[in-house]
Amino acid sequence: AQKVTQAQTEISVVEKEDVTLDCVYETRDTTYYLFWYKQPPSGELVFLIRRNSFDEQNEISGRYSWNFQKSTSSFNFTITASQVVDSAVYFCALQSAGGFKTIFGAGTRLFVKA
Amino acid sequence: DVKVTQSSRYLVKRTGEKVFLECVQDMDHENMFWYRQDPGLGLRLIYFSYDVKMKEKGDIPEGYSVSREKKERFSLILESASTNQTSMYLCASSGTGDTLNYNEQFFGPGTRLTVL
Repeated sequence: AQKVTQAQTEISVVEKEDVTLDCVYETRDTTYYLFWYKQPPSGELVFLIRRNSFDEQNEISGRYSWNFQKSTSSFNFTITASQVVDSAVYFCALQSAGGFKTIFGAGTRLFVKA
Repeated sequence: DVKVTQSSRYLVKRTGEKVFLECVQDMDHENMFWYRQDPGLGLRLIYFSYDVKMKEKGDIPEGYSVSREKKERFSLILESASTNQTSMYLCASSGTGDTLNYNEQFFGPGTRLTVL
């Protein structure tokens, strides 16, 4: 069975701190996709990144970076120099290649205080 | 701009009522999804549709049905609402393999349903 675990329920940081959101997944598939979505207070989930299982290169996009490690089945998300606007719930998700179903983690609520 | 809209942001219904939640997307996407979001449980898939008039059960279909008569519209129906269906309902859509980022899902703003 597929599973996504986000062990951190809530994280609170002060603005400009770096913060890492953890994601651990389980799957027997050899080809799959991993995602991160952001849900701001407005409620609409916003896609941040997709990684396929054959691409273990880390990615950086501005203050955001992602560390994909197949050996530990982890896909962690780091925000550098956090800002108040980063306050949101962040979801990690897993999808099998060729499938429709996406399995979401329980989410991590991030509070960034000014 | 990509858009998924849901008919209501907030809805209050009584136990036993029939409830319709509507979702419309303007991206000509083949796939549409209904999720419910509950604290500590993340998003759980209720139903999805990969084509007009086609539907598949997700992980928690009990007490729900869906309808997809047109490509752009996907409705979630609670035949007889119960208090344990109080939740946030999220609709999403995605394209097929011949489109860029095909399996990225685009979400609507959600409908917070309260069943009294």
